[in-house]
Amino acid sequence: QKEVEQDPGPLSVPEGAIVSLNCTYSNSAFQYFMWYRQYSRKGPELLMYTYSSGNKEDGRFTAQVDKSSKYISLFIRDSQPSDSATYLCAMSGMDSSYKLIFGSGTRLLVRP
Amino acid sequence: GAVVSQHPSWVICKSGTSVKIECRSLDFQATTMFWYRQFPKKSLMLMATSNEGSKATYEQGVEKDKFLINHASLTLSTLTVTSAHPEDSSFYICSARVALSHRVTEAFFGQGTRLTVV
Repeated sequence: QKEVEQDPGPLSVPEGAIVSLNCTYSNSAFQYFMWYRQYSRKGPELLMYTYSSGNKEDGRFTAQVDKSSKYISLFIRDSQPSDSATYLCAMSGMDSSYKLIFGSGTRLLVRP
Repeated sequence: GAVVSQHPSWVICKSGTSVKIECRSLDFQATTMFWYRQFPKKSLMLMATSNEGSKATYEQGVEKDKFLINHASLTLSTLTVTSAHPEDSSFYICSARVALSHRVTEAFFGQGTRLTVV
């Protein structure tokens, strides 16, 4: 079993739709949860990060962490064609190595 | 946010030659940098952790003699793919972590280098 599971998609939605992206994980030691956006042939860029459980909102983006279910989500409201990219979840524990474990990424396509 | 610059963005080389990829932190000092490899439609696979002034720590299954890492200064880490073969063709990305608080760090990524070995 992979440490982090993420549906690769692709996920195709019309402009303006609410998008839900999810990851599940198996390591209960994970404490930091991050979402990265990666455009084709580019390095990932951080969208949001969350420590432990709870919700965090930033503009059109909302990140949720449910540690009891080992499940994290990223919601995108009012999706735009410019949101079309691959979204990677990532997480790490509290050890000093700061290693990030990534999901495989979900490819999102927002249709105009 | 912090900037990590990676160079070159793409390179084509002949089989058997070596290729060096540079990763620079432009506005901060990075004692630790990470090198990832990414196959098409796959996630980032951590190859090694690069530590300034000491040997890199390689993940299981990564050949340290093939992927040479040097972290000679607080702003520069290099990855050299030695005796490259077509199966080494991939997207290589470096990353540096910056502390946001005493518990949370943020990873900044370079633009990535697409290596094609012919």
